Amino acid sequence: GQNIDQPTEMTATEGAIVQINCTYQTSGFNGLFWYQQHAGEAPTFLSYNVLDGLEEKGRFSSFLSRSKGYSYLLLKELQMKDSASYLCAALDSNYQLIWGAGTKLIIKP
Amino acid sequence: DAGITQSPRYKITETGRQVTLMCHQTWSHSYMFWYRQDLGHGLRLIYYSAAADITDKGEVPDGYVVSRSKTENFPLTLESATRSQTSVYFCASSEREVTDTQYFGPGTRLTVL
Repeated sequence: GQNIDQPTEMTATEGAIVQINCTYQTSGFNGLFWYQQHAGEAPTFLSYNVLDGLEEKGRFSSFLSRSKGYSYLLLKELQMKDSASYLCAALDSNYQLIWGAGTKLIIKP
Repeated sequence: DAGITQSPRYKITETGRQVTLMCHQTWSHSYMFWYRQDLGHGLRLIYYSAAADITDKGEVPDGYVVSRSKTENFPLTLESATRSQTSVYFCASSEREVTDTQYFGPGTRLTVL
C-alpha cells in the first residue's frame, strides 16, 4: 500500500528552528510537495522537490532523499503566524498525489 | 482576479438527499481536482479532470459524480448523501500538468444529518 508518515503535532518556540519530517512509501515517485494549511483555511503551496537535496526559499527549506523515501521541511526564525498544519504529499507513478495527515505546528512565545 | 471559488461554503443536508458542490476557476487551468479532508486523515482525492469532458476516479469516488462541460467549472454531486460523507470538501486546480502546483479553493463544509 501507499503511505505517508509525518508527526501529528510539534511544538516550537518563536524565533527558533523546527524540522518536520516526512517518510513516504509509494508505487513509483514523481516528486514531493509541502503545503501549509492554517486552521479553517485551504492548503497553500510551499515547495516541490523531485531531485535529491535541499531547496531554500527564504525562511523555509525542503530536503529530499529519494533513496531513503524521506523529506523534511525546515522552518527558521519561527513566527507566530507559522502556527499551522504542514502537509506532505508524494506524487506516485500514476501522477496522483498521496497526502499525509499533516503535522500541526504550535508556536509558543 | 477571483482565482478559485467554491459554493456553498457551508451546507447542512439530510441523509438520502442529492447535493451539488460547485467549483469555479478563472485561470483556465487544465486540471481540476476534488478532495475531502477528514480529521486524522490526509486529503483524499475523489475525482479529477485533465480537461473539459475528461474526468477520472481518484482514491474515494464511490457515492460521488462529477462533470466538466466547461474548463472553468467542476461540480461535485453527492447523489444520495450519507453521514459518512460529512466532511470538508476542497476543489483545486493546476495549470497544465499534475506536477504543477495545485491551488485550492476555500472549501465547503458539508454536514449530513
